[in-house]
Amino acid sequence: QLQLQESGPGLVKPSETLSLNCTVSGDSISSRYYWGWVRQPPGKGLEWIGSVFYNGNTYYNPSLKSRVTISVDTSKNQFSLKLSSVTAADTAVYFCARVYQLLWIDYWGQGTLVTVSS
Amino acid sequence: QSALTQPPSASGSPGQSVTISCTGTISDVGNYNYVSWYQHHPGKAPKVMIYEVSKRPSGVPDRFSGSKSGNTASLTVSGLQAEDEADYYCSSYAGSNNVIFGGGTKLTVL
Repeated sequence: QLQLQESGPGLVKPSETLSLNCTVSGDSISSRYYWGWVRQPPGKGLEWIGSVFYNGNTYYNPSLKSRVTISVDTSKNQFSLKLSSVTAADTAVYFCARVYQLLWIDYWGQGTLVTVSS
Repeated sequence: QSALTQPPSASGSPGQSVTISCTGTISDVGNYNYVSWYQHHPGKAPKVMIYEVSKRPSGVPDRFSGSKSGNTASLTVSGLQAEDEADYYCSSYAGSNNVIFGGGTKLTVL
């Protein structure tokens, strides 16, 4: 059974970089799937952040592209998210996910709340 | 890219049917047959219920069905059960390797 687990600090200071990891179990990160991040600000809907393929090719939401880096570590079967210059507007539950051909998500992690505050 | 438009809430009694709409534009829902629907019980991992407009993943009850007409997609839940109470989100491929989501609909089983 595929499982994805987010990990990382739950509190980040304004202007700093948010960093999260997603550990994949039950599938190889080098499979034919893409791997992505989605977030949900409190009381709001979901927002696509971006995706990565095992070869390192990345695809980002244009509205976040200038601040986002998604990378993959095949040796650890993990992928990661970095979001720079965060503000309170980046406070959200961050989900990692397995993405089918950049079209839809077939597995999600449970999500992790990241709060941006001094 | 703007978010897809969903009603904030929907409700029905056990055994009834309820339909949730998801309205986009010709640039997303209207142009691609890549609409998906996700069920989210807060605190848990979301679950895909429908993909590619009307396909059900293995294990999803056939009480859940999807359709699309023009720029609007719909999710219908028939024979409502208590466990169907959750937040539902639609998403659509929007071209250029981007996906957009709806704002979510809270489904209440009365």
